[in-house]
Amino acid sequence: DARVTQTPRHKVTEMGQEVTMRCQPILGHNTVFWYRQTMMQGLELLAYFRNRAPLDDSGMPKDRFSAEMPDATLATLKIQPSEPRDSAVYFCASGPGRLNTGELFFGEGSRLTVL
Amino acid sequence: GNSVTQMEGPVTLSEEAFLTINCTYTATGYPSLFWYVQYPGEGLQLLLKATKADDKGSNKGFEATYRKETTSFHLEKGSVQVSDSAVYFCALTMDSNYQLIWGAGTKLIIKP
Repeated sequence: DARVTQTPRHKVTEMGQEVTMRCQPILGHNTVFWYRQTMMQGLELLAYFRNRAPLDDSGMPKDRFSAEMPDATLATLKIQPSEPRDSAVYFCASGPGRLNTGELFFGEGSRLTVL
Repeated sequence: GNSVTQMEGPVTLSEEAFLTINCTYTATGYPSLFWYVQYPGEGLQLLLKATKADDKGSNKGFEATYRKETTSFHLEKGSVQVSDSAVYFCALTMDSNYQLIWGAGTKLIIKP
C-alpha cells in the first residue's frame, strides 16, 4: 500500500534548536509539497518541488526555513533556529504529476512543538 | 486572484441527518474542483473531484456538482454517520502544476 512517510511524527524542542523533518514521497510521484497547518492560519503552502526542482517557496520564511530534495525518495524541511511560533503540524504531500488531477497524497504529518 | 470560500464551522448534526457544506470559488478560467477530508490525527485525503462544469463527483455517499453558473461545488450527503466527523476542505486547481488553492476547512461534528 503506497503512502507518504513522514518523520518524526512528533517533535518537542526548545527555541533556537535546529529541526529537520523528512518525507519519503510515493515512488514514482514527481511533485512534492510541504504544508503547515495551524488553528489560526489553516493550511499554508510552504514549498513545492517538481522533479526535485523547487518551483515555489514563496510561502516559506527564508531566514529560518529551508526545503530540499536531495534525491527522488527524500524531501527535507529544516528550521534553524526554531521559534515558538513555528509550532504546528507540518504535512508533506506528493502527487503523480498528471495534468489537472489535483490528487495529492498526504503523509500523517509531523507535529512540532517549540518551547 | 483565484480563491475558495467555505462555510464556517463547526457544523454539528445528528446521525442520519442531511449534510450540506457550501463551497464557492473565484477563478479566471475553468478550474478543477476537489473535496478533501481530514480525520482526526491524520493527513488530508481526496474525497471526490470534478474537472468540468456539470460534472458530479461522488464517493462514500458524498456528492458534489460543479456548478459554473453559480461558481459553486457544495458537498452533500443524505445520511451522515458519526464516522463522518472530520474537517472538510474544498480546493481548486487551475494549471498543469496543479498547485491547489484551499478553502479554510469546515469542521463537521456528528452526534449519535
